[in-house]
Amino acid sequence: DAKTTQPNSMESNEEEPVHLPCNHSTISGTDYIHWYRQLPSQGPEYVIHGLTSNVNNRMASLAIAEDRKSSTLILHRATLRDAAVYYCILSPPNSGGSNYKLTFGKGTLLTVNP
Amino acid sequence: KAGVTQTPRYLIKTRGQQVTLSCSPISGHRSVSWYQQTPGQGLQFLFEYFSETQRNKGNFPGRFSGRQFSNSRSEMNVSTLELGDSALYLCASSFGDLSYNEQFFGPGTRLTVL
Repeated sequence: DAKTTQPNSMESNEEEPVHLPCNHSTISGTDYIHWYRQLPSQGPEYVIHGLTSNVNNRMASLAIAEDRKSSTLILHRATLRDAAVYYCILSPPNSGGSNYKLTFGKGTLLTVNP
Repeated sequence: KAGVTQTPRYLIKTRGQQVTLSCSPISGHRSVSWYQQTPGQGLQFLFEYFSETQRNKGNFPGRFSGRQFSNSRSEMNVSTLELGDSALYLCASSFGDLSYNEQFFGPGTRLTVL
């Protein structure tokens, strides 16, 4: 089964860029890579997703390695509101039945210092 | 646009009882997924319903079941509760396919089993 590995914690300073890594060496060719973040006492919030190419949106950028065995979430200018647990997720095509392998990492706790 | 709502927000049950949790998705979303979040296991996918049919299922015992109604609202049921079922149960809605669509999470239902 595909797995994801993330650092337990990272620290950044406000207004500096943050690079959050995720290793997924057993990723399948059809798995999408998603990133979500979760603040205390809230449900996860979507950040970004991609398949093969790098992606940008208003929140962040996603850099995907050419072999797809790793990816990096980039927050261009961290703010205090970005302090959260960040999850890297592999999302396969519909299985049409049991044992759908939607794989979550343990998450990285990002601390942002003022 | 109203977000995903879950009821109740908190619940206390005793071992052996059964419980039903409710989720109302964002208007227009036909996919509803359920997740269990615990400190030890992290986020785990339970199942997904799309247009009243279970489309994907994770690796949980049959005590965990769900259904979806014609208005896309969904319920999750856990029978014969065990202490290990204590967790935050999250519901997420999506417009379409889980693999490449953004999921919107609700705030969760905190279930405590005594």
